[in-house]
Amino acid sequence: SQKIEQNSEALNIQEGKTATLTCNYTNYSPAYLQWYRQDPGRGPVFLLLIRENEKEKRKERLKVTFDTTLKQSLFHITASQPADSATYLCALGTNAGNMLTFGGGTRLMVKP
Amino acid sequence: GAVVSQHPSWVICKSGTSVKIECRSLDFQATTMFWYRQFPKQSLMLMATSNEGSKATYEQGVEKDKFLINHASLTLSTLTVTSAHPEDSSFYICSGGQNEQYFGPGTRLTVT
Repeated sequence: SQKIEQNSEALNIQEGKTATLTCNYTNYSPAYLQWYRQDPGRGPVFLLLIRENEKEKRKERLKVTFDTTLKQSLFHITASQPADSATYLCALGTNAGNMLTFGGGTRLMVKP
Repeated sequence: GAVVSQHPSWVICKSGTSVKIECRSLDFQATTMFWYRQFPKQSLMLMATSNEGSKATYEQGVEKDKFLINHASLTLSTLTVTSAHPEDSSFYICSGGQNEQYFGPGTRLTVT
């Protein structure tokens, strides 16, 4: 069955360091992968989308890589700030409709 | 990004009653919207796909007679939890969009 795995343990890092979050998937051939940020009690907010034919995408302090051979995406936040503390979700989609399948999310804590 | 609103943001109801949650796309039209539920510290679980002008598509294990979905216009989808029970208490979130999804702020339902 399809599975999307994110590290369920919280990631604690020091302010200014680079945070790296991992998303692995099995039994899935996504056309694209997305990353979302979710704060407690709020809906997820879209961050980045990367397509299967793209290796890397950047947006300000964010960088996403997508390796369809390894079936893995890495999400980096450089120069992290306490305000980056949140849960980050990866989601996979296909070209058959707009439905997304979400991973379990990883909570990031950036300490000052 | 696009804006999706939900109403109410929170609701407390008695067991056996029904609750309606509205999801509106404020600045775009959505032929398809998605309804999720989320338990504390867990990821989003897709409940159903709401299709404008036609029946919703429910995920396996979701009772269509209990979670009634109506998508009467291109900007409004509603989820009605019928005969609510305490186990229906959860955080309900809707989304709409193309590849990237725009999420509503969520509705916290508590059934006493």
